[in-house]
Formats: sequence, structure tokens, C-alpha cells
Amino acid sequence: DADVTQTPRNRITKTGKRIMLECSQTKGHDRMYWYRQDPGLGLRLIYYSFDVKDINKGEISDGYSVSRQAQAKFSLSLESAIPNQTALYFCATSTPRGGDAGYTFGSGTRLTVV
Amino acid sequence: KQEVTQIPAALSVPEGENLVLNCSFTDSAIYNLQWFRQDPGKGLTSLLLIQSSQREQTSGRLNASLDKSSGRSTLYIAASQPGDSATYLCAVHNTDKLIFGTGTRLQVFP
Repeated sequence: DADVTQTPRNRITKTGKRIMLECSQTKGHDRMYWYRQDPGLGLRLIYYSFDVKDINKGEISDGYSVSRQAQAKFSLSLESAIPNQTALYFCATSTPRGGDAGYTFGSGTRLTVV
Repeated sequence: KQEVTQIPAALSVPEGENLVLNCSFTDSAIYNLQWFRQDPGKGLTSLLLIQSSQREQTSGRLNASLDKSSGRSTLYIAASQPGDSATYLCAVHNTDKLIFGTGTRLQVFP
């Protein structure tokens, strides 16, 4: 099994629908992150969490919310999806300051909002 | 605000060439620097991690160097192969976040 698992892998949804992207990890890392990737814009940080009771906004958090259900689980929600949220979404984990192993990324969720 | 720039944005070379990909960052107060590879539409695969106290790391045909004082890192790929074709991303660990460059898209043709 992958260290960081994202579900679903692909999703097509309609404008205005609520959608949740899920991430689970077996690395035992405390820190988890959600990034979004758009062509030409690179990867941008949406939200991050340093432990179960800690949630922090990234640079592009508007329109998104997150839930840290357990050390191993971190979910990203789009309350009312809009077409410009069409992107590739990545979950990542790390130890503090990247540690000895750096960041580990999931395989991504390709989300299309029509 | 930390900014990460990668040059060139795209590179197309014949098989066998030795390559240099460049990454520069504006704030030298970083913890680590990490190089990733991304195949089209796929996830990120970590290639090399250079911790702030290190100057370089090597893995097979890949070598990455870090010069914090000048805000630069270089990824060197020896004897390139078509299988090296991908986008290469540089990312700096800055305070509590990972900040990415926009990548170098590499194509190696036979």
C-alpha cells in the first residue's frame, strides 16, 4: 500500500455540489497538507495541519474547508464547487521542518467541475 | 515572501547528454530543499532531499547541490535517457511549508 493514499483518483462533479477529497497516511507523520496544482501556476498550498487539533489556512483557502479526523486522516471539502476549482489536488505529509525524509505526496485527485 | 524560480522552463535534448537544471530562491533561511519528478498527470516522486547543513546529495545518475548563501540549487542529470522525460520540481522547506518552483519540463529523445 502507498504511504499516502488519496481517494478518489478522478472525480467529475457539477457546479454547486459539495465534494470531499480524502487522504490517509501510514507514515506516522503529524503534519499533513493539501496542495492544488494548475498548469502554469505550480503547486499552491490550500490548508495544512500539524496535529489533530491544529488547522491552518494556506495561500488559497477560500472556497475550501478541511477536517483532521485522526493523525492519519485529512479531508478536503469543497462546499459548493465552481469550475475554477478544476485542478489536480495533492495531499502530503511530513515530519517537522521536513525532517530527514522530506515531504511525501499522494498520487493526486484530478477534479473536474462542470 | 519566499519565491522559487526554475530555469529553464523547458528543455529538449538528445539521449546521452549531461543536463543541468537550475533552481533559485529569494530567502536563504530555509531548512531543506527537495527535488521532485512528476510524470504527466501523475503524482510527485521525491528524487533528492538536501538538508540545510548539507551541500549536495547523490542518487544514481542524479546529483543535487545547494548553496544557501546565494539562494541556488542545481540538479545534475548524467547520461540522460528517454525515461528521464518528465517535469522536475524544486521545492524549499521554508518555516512550516513547502514552496514550489513552477518546474522544468524535460524531454529526452532517442
